[in-house]
Amino acid sequence: EAQVTQNPRYLITVTGKKLTVTCSQNMNHEYMSWYRQDPGLGLRQIYYSMNVEVTDKGDVPEGYKVSRKEKRNFPLILESPSPNQTSLYFCASSPGSATNEKLFFGSGTQLSVL
Amino acid sequence: AQTVTQSQPEMSVQEAETVTLSCTYDTSENNYYLFWYKQPPSRQMILVIRQEAYKQQNATENRFSVNFQKAAKSFSLKISDSQLGDTAMYFCAFMKHVTSKSTFGDGTTLTVKP
Repeated sequence: EAQVTQNPRYLITVTGKKLTVTCSQNMNHEYMSWYRQDPGLGLRQIYYSMNVEVTDKGDVPEGYKVSRKEKRNFPLILESPSPNQTSLYFCASSPGSATNEKLFFGSGTQLSVL
Repeated sequence: AQTVTQSQPEMSVQEAETVTLSCTYDTSENNYYLFWYKQPPSRQMILVIRQEAYKQQNATENRFSVNFQKAAKSFSLKISDSQLGDTAMYFCAFMKHVTSKSTFGDGTTLTVKP
């Protein structure tokens, strides 16, 4: 089944404790991205990647890191989480082709930073 | 930078009636994609409909259709014969051609009343 898999679904942590949210897609998509969703603010893009070893900042990159060492994986790293990073996070991928471009989303990760 | 504006934070409609959700965007790009995504209480992001900017014909998917006005930078979603299962938050999204960088609106919460 074609899908984007995010883990974990829920995560509670404390300020300053490094964490990683994993994202993997099995559709050989070129493009992957991370979003955070906060009430009243829609989805805001954190980072995106157009291909392996190519990443770029989105609209709210501060406090986050990403890497794209393999095409299928795009982990989101919070080196020193803070309470203002409490949010719902989504990973997404898309083919990167002009004929069928659309975003496929993971199921989301609800992160709480205490 | 692109911006996407959804001017209706909340809307409601009676079951079986028609409702239109508004979306406007601002961009200097000529080639891009526009989407409407649905987010039910499960939080899953579900693609409702997709429009390619170079196509003048409005996209339709069963009960869902769009009114795409490229010159006015408007992309409204019409839901016909509303059903209780249409109750959800709806996001309008813009995606750049080639880079696939995406921008989302803040969302419209739609409630379908029995």
